[in-house]
Amino acid sequence: EVQLVESGGGLVQPGGSLRLSCAASGFTFSSYSMDWVRQAPGKGLEWVSYISSSSSTIYYADSVKGRFTISRDNAKNSLYLQMTSLRDEDTAVYYCARDETYCGDDCYPAFDIWGQGTMVTVSS
Amino acid sequence: DIQLTQSPSFLSASVGDRVTITCRASQGISSYLVWYQQKPGKAPKLLIYAASTLQSGVPSRFSGSGSGTEFTLTISSLQPEDFATYYCQQLNSYPQTFGQGTKLEIK
Repeated sequence: EVQLVESGGGLVQPGGSLRLSCAASGFTFSSYSMDWVRQAPGKGLEWVSYISSSSSTIYYADSVKGRFTISRDNAKNSLYLQMTSLRDEDTAVYYCARDETYCGDDCYPAFDIWGQGTMVTVSS
Repeated sequence: DIQLTQSPSFLSASVGDRVTITCRASQGISSYLVWYQQKPGKAPKLLIYAASTLQSGVPSRFSGSGSGTEFTLTISSLQPEDFATYYCQQLNSYPQTFGQGTKLEIK
């Protein structure tokens, strides 16, 4: 079964750090780009970060740039998000998602597999 | 950044109704648009990619159309399991932004 399982969420004080993990199974993890997406309580979805299959290309949302670091270990089938200098507004459910590419005449991406999410609460 | 505006934000409808949700992009994104369905406490589920291609396993009552800056998601005959929140997302450029969501409720 194709699956993504996040872990590492919890309660952290403002200014603190947390490392999220996403364990992949059921597919060739090293062949796929991956993303982190978050959702604040009662709010919509916000894309956070992207990493290519070889880690050669990385992007961040402006809201987390300089504070969050995305990484992956293809040997361990794992994706990570290191979060530092956390703020109240970082409180959210964090999802990892697989970045699939569908090709016909042209190629189009989409997030086809999502984890169940891990809750991060930033509060004093 | 490309902004996506969904309308309406809330929609009340009955089982069997035909409903349409619109997603407008602040600049042209070709067909780099996807639609997701999200139910409370669950992760989003991919419904449509490339603006109009149905993801495998998604019922045919869902359809998507559009290109450039205006896109629509249509559900031809609402079923009880379709009451959820729907999001569009553009994957034309980074940051890959989402619309604010459309909550579809039972009338």
